[in-house]
Amino acid sequence: SQQGEEDPQALSIQEGENATMNCSYKTSINNLQWYRQNSGRGLVHLILIRSNEREKHSGRLRVTLDTSKKSSSLLITASRAADTASYFCAPFNAGNMLTFGGGTRLMVKP
Amino acid sequence: DTGVSQDPRHKITKRGQNVTFRCDPISEHNRLYWYRQTLGQGPEFLTYFQNEAQLEKSRLLSDRFSAERPKGSFSTLEIQRTEQGDSAMYLCASSPPSLGYPETQYFGPGTRLLVL
Repeated sequence: SQQGEEDPQALSIQEGENATMNCSYKTSINNLQWYRQNSGRGLVHLILIRSNEREKHSGRLRVTLDTSKKSSSLLITASRAADTASYFCAPFNAGNMLTFGGGTRLMVKP
Repeated sequence: DTGVSQDPRHKITKRGQNVTFRCDPISEHNRLYWYRQTLGQGPEFLTYFQNEAQLEKSRLLSDRFSAERPKGSFSTLEIQRTEQGDSAMYLCASSPPSLGYPETQYFGPGTRLLVL
């Protein structure tokens, strides 16, 4: 399975600090996507990085991808209380499906 | 609101009953996906449609689960003879046409099922 596996499972930081979440996967991918889920809600797409890209930015988000290590990281800079959510990475391949891991539950304390 | 919508948002049923959930994708999105999410876990892929064709259904959890998208627009997910283990959030997502691989998926708010 190429299911993404996030690390850590839970992360608690103070507002203003940076949050880093890591993702590992097992097989080759076409792209890797990160999603956010607020408690009990649907998922929101954050950012997509293709297999031929190494780094991508979107606002306060920075995603890196290392295909040789089959890993990705999501950095949220200057975190806010509103960033409190679960974050999922989802590798995507030619099977046309996203496979999600268990997520990282981020708590940002005001 | 032009996002993905799901109905109902909550469903409580008794074990053994059948339930059906509906998903309306974003207009002009030709791909539609169903996922199941249990507490503390990430979404688990169930099935996928491109227009009205169900291109992947091997991940449906058992033969009690079935999905349709008869006209390539809305979709329904049916669970027959529900069991307590079916209690979960059922998520629908859609994505627009693309020349290559489908990319960003847009998720609905989910239907939370509780089987008593």
